[in-house]
Amino acid sequence: EDKVVQSPLSLVVHEGDTVTLNCSYEVTNFRSLLWYKQEKKAPTFLFMLTSSGIEKKSGRLSSILDKKELFSILNITATQTGDSAVYLCAVESTVLEKLTFGTGTRLTIIP
Amino acid sequence: DAGVIQSPRHEVTEMGQEVTLRCKPISGHNSLFWYRQTMMRGLELLIYFNNNVPIDDSGMPEDRFSAKMPNASFSTLKIQPSEPRDSAVYFCASSRQTLYEQYFGPGTRLTVT
Repeated sequence: EDKVVQSPLSLVVHEGDTVTLNCSYEVTNFRSLLWYKQEKKAPTFLFMLTSSGIEKKSGRLSSILDKKELFSILNITATQTGDSAVYLCAVESTVLEKLTFGTGTRLTIIP
Repeated sequence: DAGVIQSPRHEVTEMGQEVTLRCKPISGHNSLFWYRQTMMRGLELLIYFNNNVPIDDSGMPEDRFSAKMPNASFSTLKIQPSEPRDSAVYFCASSRQTLYEQYFGPGTRLTVT
């Protein structure tokens, strides 16, 4: 069965700090790995990663995938209070064409 | 802990038929969410409940969709009549409270022909 494990479960840092969120996975016939940010309602999409070693970047957020070691990290630099959210990692399998989500990392930024 | 349980895992039906998706949240969780996942639109929140009460159903696409949560351990999402554009994977998720980490079920893949 496909499995996604995120760590840490929760993280509290001060504004301006840099954080790294981790996602490891086991999936049959891997297609892609996705990161979502969830604040209030539906998680909002951040990144989709399909190729190993290629960094995706959007402003202060960046993510990279290691398909050999089966993990991904999400980095946030110069954190702001608006970054406080739950960050979800999900992997997509070509076999069932569905997303398997991790339980998320709750990030809290203290002003 | 069995996690969030959804049934059926796969559903194939013909256009016009009624479809009922079921969800059992994790025991002790007070919030329940229904999502729809499509490649075109990604993950969309349809409705969520807190303490069995619907809080926000603004994501429900139209009147053909309805959801109920008669008790803390069971919820249904019904589509009547179903249409081919309803084909998607429907996720149920639960959390201790709204905005806490959500635990997702395995999803129901719905195909409407």
